[in-house]
Amino acid sequence: AQSVTQPDIHITVSEGASLELRCNYSYGATPYLFWYVQSPGQGLQLLLKYFSGDTLVQGIKGFEAEFKRSQSSFNLRKPSVHWSDAAEYFCAVGPTQGGSEKLVFGKGTKLTVNP
Amino acid sequence: ETGVTQTPRHLVMGMTNKKSLKCEQHLGHNAMYWYKQSAKKPLELMFVYNFKEQTENNSVPSRFSPECPNSSHLFLHLHTLQPEDSALYLCASSQDGVSASGTHEQYFGPGTRLTVT
Repeated sequence: AQSVTQPDIHITVSEGASLELRCNYSYGATPYLFWYVQSPGQGLQLLLKYFSGDTLVQGIKGFEAEFKRSQSSFNLRKPSVHWSDAAEYFCAVGPTQGGSEKLVFGKGTKLTVNP
Repeated sequence: ETGVTQTPRHLVMGMTNKKSLKCEQHLGHNAMYWYKQSAKKPLELMFVYNFKEQTENNSVPSRFSPECPNSSHLFLHLHTLQPEDSALYLCASSQDGVSASGTHEQYFGPGTRLTVT
């Protein structure tokens, strides 16, 4: 069965520092991969997605992610974090087996940004 | 209105009340979803509707009753809830269901914060 692992529950960085959030997936075919961000009390906003082609994808708010098939990873990066990036980040993979439209989400990584 | 909207944004209800959550998507999508997000627990998929037909019920208790009258609207009817049902309920939609050409990304509403007293 498909699964997504986000090894870091909570990460703290200083404003202006670089950021990498890890995501590992288990999937039997070429996956569709997504990163979402959730601010407190809000819904999830799509940051970026990978379907095929260039393995380095650019998203909104200055984020990028790299798909590495050999490592089953899709890590999210940002070169310089802003205080407004403090939020929870979710990695997701789909579609699920049988062609279902469902996505499988990781448990999330909470990002704290220190001034 | 654009995107996915949810009403109400906040709801407090007693255990004997009946209430409904509403979701509307303005994206022309065919699939809609209900998720439950509790504190310190992962996102839980509750129901999936594809072209108005329910395609998934993730062992959700019968006190939660979904309704999808058309591809743009999704309701979650609530009755005799328990305090542990207090959570953020998120609605989402996506362009295509089982078609291989579907892009599968889901767009989320802002959620309804439900408190059961």
